[in-house]
Amino acid sequence: KNEVEQSPQNLTAQEGEFITINCSYSVGISALHWLQQHPGGGIVSLFMLSSGKKKHGRLIATINIQEKHSSLHITASHPRDSAVYICAVWLWRGGGSNYKLTFGKGTLLTVNP
Amino acid sequence: GAGVSQSPSNKVTEKGKDVELRCDPISGHTALYWYRQSLGQGLEFLIYFQGNSAPDKSGLPSDRFSAERTGGSVSTLTIQRTQQEDSAVYLCASSSPSGSFYNEQFFGPGTRLTVL
Repeated sequence: KNEVEQSPQNLTAQEGEFITINCSYSVGISALHWLQQHPGGGIVSLFMLSSGKKKHGRLIATINIQEKHSSLHITASHPRDSAVYICAVWLWRGGGSNYKLTFGKGTLLTVNP
Repeated sequence: GAGVSQSPSNKVTEKGKDVELRCDPISGHTALYWYRQSLGQGLEFLIYFQGNSAPDKSGLPSDRFSAERTGGSVSTLTIQRTQQEDSAVYLCASSSPSGSFYNEQFFGPGTRLTVL
């Protein structure tokens, strides 16, 4: 079982729809990142959060530490939101390297006009 | 200001050759990370530098991989005796020194390595 699980793997939506992408992790963390990767493009950091909720424009990220779960929401989705969304968490490892950044496999979002 | 830059953008090499990949972080960023993304796979952590501290090399897949960071700025990732399974996009990221160790990271465009 992967330590960081994302769902769904693929998501197709119509323009204007509300989108939710989920991320679950197996062990304690210090912080969680949501990243965006456009086809053939670079990676952009969308959010970093360790508790509660953050909002930036049409994007909202939430995290529930007790349930080891985070969600990324996109309101009023647009074709330019089409990208791979990646969840990355600093997982507790113990020992000398206490935390290690571990990535989910990503969710491919396609928003059709 | 300038973002994270990486060179070359593409590198094709023959199996068994050594390659060097370069990363120029954002000026003033003391933390620098190397990752790789293989085709159809997720991102994989390789190595992390923070200031003058000893690097965290726990993600390097074999002793053929090494990295150094000179003067706390530019970093070079070296892969010796390349294998076909080393083919991937190698990404570099940097983050600012202020606040938490787990600060937002700024990613470079990556170097696409193809080993024939």
